[in-house]
Amino acid sequence: GENVEQHPSTLSVQEGDSAVIKCTYSDSASNYFPWYKQELGKGPQLIIDIRSNVGEKKDQRIAVTLNKTAKHFSLHITETQPEDSAVYFCAASTGRDDKIIFGKGTRLHILP
Amino acid sequence: NAGVMQNPRHLVRRRGQEARLRCSPMKGHSHVYWYRQLPEEGLKFMVYLQKENIIDESGMPKERFSAEFPKEGPSILRIQQVVRGDSAAYFCASSPTSGGWGEQYFGPGTRLTVT
Repeated sequence: GENVEQHPSTLSVQEGDSAVIKCTYSDSASNYFPWYKQELGKGPQLIIDIRSNVGEKKDQRIAVTLNKTAKHFSLHITETQPEDSAVYFCAASTGRDDKIIFGKGTRLHILP
Repeated sequence: NAGVMQNPRHLVRRRGQEARLRCSPMKGHSHVYWYRQLPEEGLKFMVYLQKENIIDESGMPKERFSAEFPKEGPSILRIQQVVRGDSAAYFCASSPTSGGWGEQYFGPGTRLTVT
């Protein structure tokens, strides 16, 4: 079955700098890649997603890139702000059975 | 437009008791998913349901765990004879009727503590 690896597990970034989180997946049939942000005590919130027919997608300060050949995808956050501090999860799905497989998460700290 | 609702938010059970977790999907969503999250870990898929049907329960332990999504009312995740290892956060997600492309929206979770 699908396996999603996520790095790094912890990331500290100076406020205003950029943060990059990287993920790899194993199932070449995966075609949907969402990213979730989870704040303490809350449920995961879908922040951006990308489908396999595009290589990049951007939404304000957040962008995702997808390399299907290498089977990896990344989240880029620019001009980081204190409210970006949270745990971020990447995930992958083949869409066949709606099952989403999550990475183990990256705890992002934005330093003042 | 209310999001996914889960209750209770916190649940404490003694070993051997039963835990019932409820999830009401977003309006218009008929696909419900349950995930379990252990501390400092990602979410693990448990079960996928549509109204009155279990579609995929491959992530759910064969014993003590069951799930349903009746024609009327919320989806229920039921854990019988709870053990300490069941302590975790349980999240429910829902997706629109079109489904299949994985846009899942999560509820706030139920934090189960087994004493």
